[in-house]
Amino acid sequence: AQSVTQPDIHITVSEGASLELRCNYSYGATPYLFWYVQSPGQGLQLLLKYFSGDTLVQGIKGFEAEFKRSQSSFNLRKPSVHWSDAAEYFCAVGAGQGGKLIFGQGTELSVKP
Amino acid sequence: KAGVTQTPRYLIKTRGQQVTLSCSPISGHRSVSWYQQTPGQGLQFLFEYFSETQRNKGNFPGRFSGRQFSNSRSEMNVSTLELGDSALYLCASSSGQGGGNIQYFGAGTRLSVL
Repeated sequence: AQSVTQPDIHITVSEGASLELRCNYSYGATPYLFWYVQSPGQGLQLLLKYFSGDTLVQGIKGFEAEFKRSQSSFNLRKPSVHWSDAAEYFCAVGAGQGGKLIFGQGTELSVKP
Repeated sequence: KAGVTQTPRYLIKTRGQQVTLSCSPISGHRSVSWYQQTPGQGLQFLFEYFSETQRNKGNFPGRFSGRQFSNSRSEMNVSTLELGDSALYLCASSSGQGGGNIQYFGAGTRLSVL
């Protein structure tokens, strides 16, 4: 069955520290992978996507993610976290035709001053 | 270009009532998907419409239904509301077909069922 797992429910990092959010997926074919961010009371904003090609993808706000097929992972990274990055982050896989996204449970990021 | 617009932003209903939520996609987008977000179940796919046809449906009871109009605007309806239907309902639009299309989300409608 198709699924996405984000093992960390909540992560706290200090401002200026590096960040890595983990995402593992289970999908039979070549996956379309996404990272979205959600601020309180808001919808989801796309950070970056992987469809094919270069396995290291760059996104907005200084985020990047690396697709590792052998590990079925698509981890999100940022070299230096800013207080404004505090939000909930969702990894998702595009499940074939029909515009369906399967989401992980989300990782809530807190940033310490 | 205007983003995805969902109305209303907030709704309060009582058990047994029905509710209709509206979604206007980004201009030119023909696909609209709906998701339910709750603290316990996370983000779950409800259904997706493309050119007025439902192409995919999630695992929700028949009380949840939707439709899409010729201008791509979409509505979802929930009948006989239950307390567990309290959630943030998100709508997303994309330009075309397949899982590789980027979905752009609206701010959501927060439904509270009392």
